[in-house]
Amino acid sequence: GNSVTQMEGPVTLSEEAFLTINCTYTATGYPSLFWYVQYPGEGLQLLLKATKADDKGSNKGFEATYRKETTSFHLEKGSVQVSDSAVYFCALSDTGGGNKLTFGTGTQLKVEL
Amino acid sequence: GAVVSQHPSWVICKSGTSVKIECRSLDFQATTMFWYRQFPKQSLMLMATSNEGSKATYEQGVEKDKFLINHASLTLSTLTVTSAHPEDSSFYICSARPSGSGRETQYFGPGTRLLVL
Repeated sequence: GNSVTQMEGPVTLSEEAFLTINCTYTATGYPSLFWYVQYPGEGLQLLLKATKADDKGSNKGFEATYRKETTSFHLEKGSVQVSDSAVYFCALSDTGGGNKLTFGTGTQLKVEL
Repeated sequence: GAVVSQHPSWVICKSGTSVKIECRSLDFQATTMFWYRQFPKQSLMLMATSNEGSKATYEQGVEKDKFLINHASLTLSTLTVTSAHPEDSSFYICSARPSGSGRETQYFGPGTRLLVL
């Protein structure tokens, strides 16, 4: 079956530090890959997505590249801000699975001044 | 735009009682809504897919008689946990897919935390 594995948190960084949150997946078909972000007290929001191999999704300074050879979709940002503090979820949607979303466990990011 | 609300945001109930959780799409119509549950330090697990005007489709291992889903309108779906027990304590999250949007589009509610004593 489909699964998503992401690094455990919390991840604590200083403002302006470089961020990487690792995500790897297994899927039976040809998945689309997503990163969702959840700010305190709010619902998950789509941050970025990539629908095929070598695609790069980007938004708000975050980016992730769909790497089929390593089955990975690592999230990166060059310079984090305090306002980026949130929980980040990696997910996949597999056409072979009826386009249902399969999520990772989430990684909490704390950015300090 | 694309706001989904849930009510209540948290609820504590006694074992054996039933609890209803509402999921509303505030500024769009949603033919399809989804219900997830999340245990601490675990991923969101899809429980069921709710289609307006028809029966919900439950994922394997989810008891449909225990988790009753009603999607009576294009903006409201409800999840009723019947005869709740402590093991039902969890974080329940709904999402809604706007009518006519792509199959991968979902907007999420903020979640409802249920504690069964």
